[in-house]
Amino acid sequence: DARVTQTPRHKVTEMGQEVTMRCQPILGHNTVFWYRQTMMQGLELLAYFRNRAPLDDSGMPKDRFSAEMPDATLATLKIQPSEPRDSAVYFCASGLVGTRSSGANVLTFGAGSRLTVL
Amino acid sequence: SQQGEEDPQALSIQEGENATMNCSYKTSINNLQWYRQNSGRGLVHLILIRSNEREKHSGRLRVTLDTSKKSSSLLITASRAADTASYFCATVQGGSEKLVFGKGTKLTVNP
Repeated sequence: DARVTQTPRHKVTEMGQEVTMRCQPILGHNTVFWYRQTMMQGLELLAYFRNRAPLDDSGMPKDRFSAEMPDATLATLKIQPSEPRDSAVYFCASGLVGTRSSGANVLTFGAGSRLTVL
Repeated sequence: SQQGEEDPQALSIQEGENATMNCSYKTSINNLQWYRQNSGRGLVHLILIRSNEREKHSGRLRVTLDTSKKSSSLLITASRAADTASYFCATVQGGSEKLVFGKGTKLTVNP
């Protein structure tokens, strides 16, 4: 089965450090989403890309978060500097969005990156 | 911001019973989806219902959609311990491509 791969699975870091999370989406999917999940806020959409171009990053704190897709096989989410309130599970998901093909608009999620900022 | 809101927040039932979860949303939608999340894992897609559909079945799952009430329900029949998970509804708002999730219903099926 094709799957979305996220690294690292777990990351513990100290406040102020840079954190980079990586995602390998499913080949052939045209859209990649980044979500953050916490107990208090649930699943929040941070940003998404279509064909590698950023379409919406309005859910991201712009001063410290950045998301890029340097090529079709890699999406990155970077936090610099990290803060304790960034502690959460970060999910990447990919899908074939905006087409009429079977399975369109359904997302496949990675297993998540659990970030703890001390 | 949350689009869908699930109800109840938590549900505990015995194996073999049916489980019903509800989702309400605020704006017009293109489709509504249900996902499951096992503890410590990513979300897994269960079923998608389009805005022009009223009911859909998949195995032990039955989903209904009432666009006049802006609500959907997910019914799991003959529940099993393996159905223990959190269930989320997600909507794509009209004119948007963003899939927005509710906070989920945590289902516990006791053996």
